[in-house]
Amino acid sequence: GAGVSQSPSNKVTEKGKDVELRCDPISGHTALYWYRQSLGQGLEFLIYFQGNSAPDKSGLPSDRFSAERTGGSVSTLTIQRTQQEDSAVYLCASSPLRGTDTQYFGPGTRLTVL
Amino acid sequence: AQTVTQSQPEMSVQEAETVTLSCTYDTSESNYYLFWYKQPPSRQMILVIRQEAYKQQNATENRFSVNFQKAAKSFSLKISDSQLGDTAMYFCAFRKTSYDKVIFGPGTSLSVIP
Repeated sequence: GAGVSQSPSNKVTEKGKDVELRCDPISGHTALYWYRQSLGQGLEFLIYFQGNSAPDKSGLPSDRFSAERTGGSVSTLTIQRTQQEDSAVYLCASSPLRGTDTQYFGPGTRLTVL
Repeated sequence: AQTVTQSQPEMSVQEAETVTLSCTYDTSESNYYLFWYKQPPSRQMILVIRQEAYKQQNATENRFSVNFQKAAKSFSLKISDSQLGDTAMYFCAFRKTSYDKVIFGPGTSLSVIP
């Protein structure tokens, strides 16, 4: 079946512009995660959606970052007034409910802010 | 808050040899979930192995096995008969409950040398 997809695969933008990154999780997965991975670094947790519960936004680095998940499926990560330090690969992952369940990762969106 | 530490930023191993990657974590929970993920140069994150804390038996998946020491809060990954395709970043990850976010360590870059 189809895996997690993300679009666009690459995004180049100018400092100060807003960007939207999209994630299509695997159908039926209740959990959806966004991570940020800077060059050569680990995964920085951003936000976590679990079913109909309020999202865990504890990882969002500033109020310029926000995310929505519509209808329990597709998610959009929005970065307003982008800064050069926002340049990174943004990874999305989804998983079923259970604790041991694998997170299935998308290929990521590489964001470059000039 | 839970934290995951990987003290080896880079490691190398000769092809066909065995290598062990270290991971320690900090939690006050008695049950939780632990994972090792692999990220090859293609950037696609893949689950390698997972363990539930209440299970005393160490998980094994083909050439990959873990040494789970609950009292020491240690979760090391052993790769036997290393292959060139094992070259990748390896991330240790922790999940407190079925409904909680997954926290990743900073990663270990493993190079398998022919």
